Amino acid sequence: GAVVSQHPSWVICKSGTSVKIECRSLDFQATTMFWYRQFPKQSLMLMATSNEGSKATYEQGVEKDKFLINHASLTLSTLTVTSAHPEDSSFYICSARDPGGPGNTIYFGEGSWLTVV
Amino acid sequence: AQSVTQLGSHVSVSEGALVLLRCNYSSSVPPYLFWYVQYPNQGLQLLLKYTSAATLVKGINGFEAEFKKSETSFHLTKPSAHMSDAAEYFCAVSDVEDMRFGAGTRLTVKP
Repeated sequence: GAVVSQHPSWVICKSGTSVKIECRSLDFQATTMFWYRQFPKQSLMLMATSNEGSKATYEQGVEKDKFLINHASLTLSTLTVTSAHPEDSSFYICSARDPGGPGNTIYFGEGSWLTVV
Repeated sequence: AQSVTQLGSHVSVSEGALVLLRCNYSSSVPPYLFWYVQYPNQGLQLLLKYTSAATLVKGINGFEAEFKKSETSFHLTKPSAHMSDAAEYFCAVSDVEDMRFGAGTRLTVKP
């Protein structure tokens, strides 16, 4: 079964509103979680690295005020897309590193489809 | 900084033919290397990963990949393609900081 859960799987929101996506590690405590964005027919682009209890590290070109990432506990990281616009519509995927797993074990969530109308 | 280059955005093979998807990496530290498959409108599924143990890694669905340090490569192969193998394949490299993906290779399998 899934060890990283993302919710919601699908979300439609109106332009200008904010939407939150949750990423939970189910069987382990994830000190590090990653957020990716994937446009249709393209690869996964790392948006930010989230470490529990500290500020996320954003990749160049990613607006930290627009994509708010919170990693308040060892099992939950959230991505909030603020004041969403249609160009924010995308597939968002999180992953979590299991520090107790062998050889840099990273698990991916099933992704969240965001459509901004 | 680490990075991955996948040669060939689109590979087409006949059913039963050899599948070869190419991946070259760049990393300043010994890397962890991964291959993922993504079916349309779905998330990622891990095929296999290299973690500095055996250089030839066997994964699910008959796929395997060989880590070649001298060539900085981690090519994915399958002896005999099946129609169900048609999908997008991503190579990824990871260290203790983050994980980066290649641009992806779309595999088409012809009957």
